Amino acid sequence: EVQLVESGGGLVQPGRSLKLSCAASGFTFSNYYMAWVRQAPKKGLEWVATISTSGSRTYYPDSVKGRFTISRDNAKSSLYLQMNSLKSEDTATYYCARHNAQRNWFAYWGQGTLVTVSS
Amino acid sequence: DTVLTQSPALAVSPGERVSISCRASEGVNSYMHWYQQKPGQQPKLLIYKASNLASGVPARFSGSGSGTDFTLTIDPVEADDTATYFCQQSWNDPHTFGAGTKLELK
Repeated sequence: EVQLVESGGGLVQPGRSLKLSCAASGFTFSNYYMAWVRQAPKKGLEWVATISTSGSRTYYPDSVKGRFTISRDNAKSSLYLQMNSLKSEDTATYYCARHNAQRNWFAYWGQGTLVTVSS
Repeated sequence: DTVLTQSPALAVSPGERVSISCRASEGVNSYMHWYQQKPGQQPKLLIYKASNLASGVPARFSGSGSGTDFTLTIDPVEADDTATYFCQQSWNDPHTFGAGTKLELK
């Protein structure tokens, strides 16, 4: 059974940093592109970042490019999201998601971790 | 960015057929995918590449379309289908989601 468990969320002040983690199990982690998707309270979904199987390629939308960094440790079956210069509009539940074999749909999702950016 | 426009909230009775639409502001080939999100839960993949049923998803769900116009159909609708349904495209960067269609049961 595929399991994705996020951690690291919490309350952080604007301009500060936070690092999220995702522990994966139930599949061969190194074979899949991985991603982070967020959902602001009572809002829709927004793709935040994707990383290739080896970690050599990363993809971001303009809204987080230069502030967020996605990374992975295949030996630990873990995914990370380093978030810098946080803004109030980054407040959301952040989901760890496994892509299909390539960078297309999100086949599995974690339960999410809430990040609140507020002074 | 590719904007995905979804039909507004819908209310249907159990046993009926419902179609949820998603229109893209530019062509996405067949790279449209559908998710179901129940209150307090994470999204769940229903349909990938316009018409392919994800593993474990009941055959009551189906998808169709290509280019800019896509439809998710549930037939027949069951009480457990109360949820918000999102479309997502992965043909153009950045990959984008629709705002969601909230399905309510009468």
